Amino acid sequence: EVQLVESGGVVVQPGGSLRLSCAASGFTFDDYAMHWVRQAPGKGLEWVSLISWDGGSTYYADSVKGRFTISRDNSKNSLYLQMNSLRAEDTALYYCAKDIEKAAAGIVYWGQGTLVTVSS
Amino acid sequence: SYELTQPPSVSVSPGQTARITCSGDALPKKYPYWYQQKSGQAPVLVIYEDSKRPSGIPERFSGSSSGTMATLTISGAQVEDEADYYCYSTDSSGNHRGVFGGGTKLTVL
Repeated sequence: EVQLVESGGVVVQPGGSLRLSCAASGFTFDDYAMHWVRQAPGKGLEWVSLISWDGGSTYYADSVKGRFTISRDNSKNSLYLQMNSLRAEDTALYYCAKDIEKAAAGIVYWGQGTLVTVSS
Repeated sequence: SYELTQPPSVSVSPGQTARITCSGDALPKKYPYWYQQKSGQAPVLVIYEDSKRPSGIPERFSGSSSGTMATLTISGAQVEDEADYYCYSTDSSGNHRGVFGGGTKLTVL
C-alpha cells in the first residue's frame, strides 16, 4: 500500500525558513516523480513544485520560485521542501504527492498533509 | 500563465447525472486528471489520463475530452459523491509545471 507521510509543518514568523519532509513507502520511490501541492485554508489546490525521479529536473510555481527548493533522497525514500523567506500567503496545508511516471504527467496519490502557518 | 477553468458549483438530485467541465488550451496535448476532495480529507484520484478509472473508484465516474474541454461525468450521483472536484494538467510549453482548476463544489440533494 502506498503511504506518503508529511512532517515539519509548524508556526513560523514572516521571513523565516522551514523544511518539510515526506516519507514514502509501499512503492519503488525512485521510479516516480514527486510533487508538493498546497491548499490555503478554505481555498483550492495550488501546485507548488515537481522533482523528477532522479532529482535531475525541478520545476516551481511562479509564486514560490526563488524561495522554495525541492529535493529528494532516494536512498531514504524521502522528499523535501526547503521554504525560505516565508510570507503570510504561504500559510497552507502542504501535500506530498506521487506522480504516475518518472518525469511528470499527473498526480495519482496524496499524503494527508502538514500544516504551515506563517504568522507573527 | 496556463490556467484551467471550472464552474464553481454544480447541483443535482440523487440519481441524476452530474457533469463537471474543465477548459484549458493545453488539454488537447496534455491528459487531464480529476480528483475528489471531501471536507477535511486529502484529495483522491478518480480519473486519470482523460478517461481511466483507478481501482476502487465506482463505475459511475467517467471522464472524456473534446478539444480544449474535459468533462467528469458522475452517472447516477449519490449523496456520498458530494465533494469538491478538481481537474489537473500540466503546461504544454515543456516546463512541466502543474496546474489545477479552481475546483467545483458538487452538491447532491
